[in-house]
Amino acid sequence: QVQLQESGPGLVKPSQTLSLTCTVSGGSISSGGYYWSWIRQHPGKGLEWIGYIYYSGSTYYNPSLKSRVTISVDTSKNQFSLKLSSVTAADTAVYYCARGSRYYDSSGYFSPPFFDYWGQGTLVTVSS
Amino acid sequence: EIVLTQSPGTLSLSPGERATLSCRASQSVSSSYLAWYQQKPGQAPRLLIYGASSRATGIPDRFSGSGSGTDFTLTISRLEPEDFAVYYCQQYGSSPAITFGQGTRLEIK
Repeated sequence: QVQLQESGPGLVKPSQTLSLTCTVSGGSISSGGYYWSWIRQHPGKGLEWIGYIYYSGSTYYNPSLKSRVTISVDTSKNQFSLKLSSVTAADTAVYYCARGSRYYDSSGYFSPPFFDYWGQGTLVTVSS
Repeated sequence: EIVLTQSPGTLSLSPGERATLSCRASQSVSSSYLAWYQQKPGQAPRLLIYGASSRATGIPDRFSGSGSGTDFTLTISRLEPEDFAVYYCQQYGSSPAITFGQGTRLEIK
């Protein structure tokens, strides 16, 4: 059973960089086939996809956040990480890491990834 | 970007009743790349349905998904007490942005 666990500071000052790490257990990132993802949820609100990374290092970001986001992977530690720069109070949210899985669709092609395993989430507050 | 609109915002039903949740997309969702998630307070979302109609591993068969193009539905045939939660639809076929609906809250009547 794959498990994901977020870690990182719960409080970040405005204009600084938010940094989170997701540790994966029960499966190896380097085995391939999955997209390792970050998603956030503002307090009492819906879900927002931030981006994901493949084990090879290929990244895909939400255009609305792309200029401030970096996602990286460390296969030796079976971890992947999120950095979000120049944060403001609007970045206060619960941040989830998740595994993106794919399947062969009716056309015989791999689907884009959807999220089948999630971490428990970590609340990050941006405040001075 | 594809905008997903879920209705109703809140659905009040009793255990044993049938629930029908709607998700409408602003553009056609490629190849039915649509998923449904359930979220309970203080928990991460849980995948229920992917590919519009395929149940995820371990999901009871009272949950079913249907639809294509711009209109999708999640049906819970007979509500159990543990089914009362918030439900989100998500499209993952539109590059470059994956988007979620705003959610439907299913509450006990």
